[in-house]
Amino acid sequence: NAGVTQTPKFQVLKTGQSMTLQCAQDMNHNSMYWYRQDPGMGLRLIYYSASEGTTDKGEVPNGYNVSRLNKREFSLRLESAAPSQTSVYFCASTRLWGQGNYEQYFGPGTRLTVT
Amino acid sequence: DAKTTQPPSMDCAEGRAANLPCNHSTISGNEYVYWYRQIHSQGPQYIIHGLKNNETNEMASLIITEDRKSSTLILPHATLRDTAVYYCIVRGYNTDKLIFGTGTRLQVFP
Repeated sequence: NAGVTQTPKFQVLKTGQSMTLQCAQDMNHNSMYWYRQDPGMGLRLIYYSASEGTTDKGEVPNGYNVSRLNKREFSLRLESAAPSQTSVYFCASTRLWGQGNYEQYFGPGTRLTVT
Repeated sequence: DAKTTQPPSMDCAEGRAANLPCNHSTISGNEYVYWYRQIHSQGPQYIIHGLKNNETNEMASLIITEDRKSSTLILPHATLRDTAVYYCIVRGYNTDKLIFGTGTRLQVFP
């Protein structure tokens, strides 16, 4: 079990460039998430997907798009990168067990710098 | 989801119990208390959660007050590897979304 994997680990972009962050999980979880974490801050939810084929906005969706390609994969796209999007991006998926018990598993993160 | 308040930092001697407090005075009856931690710059890791009863697992114990307005995460024998940021999160019933605050930075010293 690889858990939640993310690519790339590091990326430097120039302002205005686009890129896609990839995330995959092999735990057969339905829900997947994208967060960003700025220095000294907690994680903020960008987008989430409750199941294959559905996506919803989180707290900070502006400047991002997502695709839930299949049950395993959830990608995050920056169409025109801005310095304010310099951050660490985490992908997560949720295991549900019993009655209302949830546990989120996180990937190792992608460190993005926009110059 | 109810807001949580945690001290920004705490210290603990290795081998001693680390008691991390969390206030969630606006919690409603069907909301859960969750604890996650983030070691260095890794992705957060689930520790434990509870509704109203105290809970214990192999990592920690969670003590929730009777009025549910506060809770304490207990690491019974802290090690240097427990140095991390600990997040207390209140999760609404029937949602798996988590709202992270800034957490408590726990420093375990030798």
